[in-house]
Amino acid sequence: DAGVIQSPRHEVTEMGQEVTLRCKPISGHNSLFWYRQTMMRGLELLIYFNNNVPIDDSGMPEDRFSAKMPNASFSTLKIQPSEPRDSAVYFCASTATGGGYGYTFGSGTRLTVV
Amino acid sequence: AQSVSQHNHHVILSEAASLELGCNYSYGGTVNLFWYVQYPGQHLQLLLKYFSGDPLVKGIKGFEAEFIKSKFSFNLRKPSVQWSDTAEYFCAVTLSGNTGKLIFGQGTTLQVKP
Repeated sequence: DAGVIQSPRHEVTEMGQEVTLRCKPISGHNSLFWYRQTMMRGLELLIYFNNNVPIDDSGMPEDRFSAKMPNASFSTLKIQPSEPRDSAVYFCASTATGGGYGYTFGSGTRLTVV
Repeated sequence: AQSVSQHNHHVILSEAASLELGCNYSYGGTVNLFWYVQYPGQHLQLLLKYFSGDPLVKGIKGFEAEFIKSKFSFNLRKPSVQWSDTAEYFCAVTLSGNTGKLIFGQGTTLQVKP
């Protein structure tokens, strides 16, 4: 089992550019979560999907952020346009129904917007 | 709103000292409880989880946690810490039977001095 796979591991971009973060959940897991981690705000849940359907996006900071899950094995988090305050580590996590196995996190994408 | 509170933000211990990190949650229903660890520069890893049954839960690396329902608490303990336990520790909660939001506490940074 390769775990939750995120790409890229690091991203440096200029303000105003579009950024796309990618996540492949563990095969068989039907829930996927996007979190953002910063020193100031800790771990924030941005959005989560059950069976590819967005359930709660109340944590998405603003319209510049969007997330999709076109199939059970792939999700994207897009920021357009990016701003320096978006700099953070973005984690993706997945779990099976009921969360009985716990939530497995990916290695994260460290985003720096300059 | 559902929330998780970790009392200690930064803990400094010497090797072989005992550890207890506090965690309280605010939800009156049935919850699932987790402790995650994040080593410097790495992703979150599951230490232990409580779903039901014995309120004393044993996890990896000698950690354990006790669920006290009347106190809405799930404190993490380790009898003797090692330098390699230096990391950030997160308590988290989700609603039982619902693959939904995993809400994290603010985190506690543990520094173990050799």
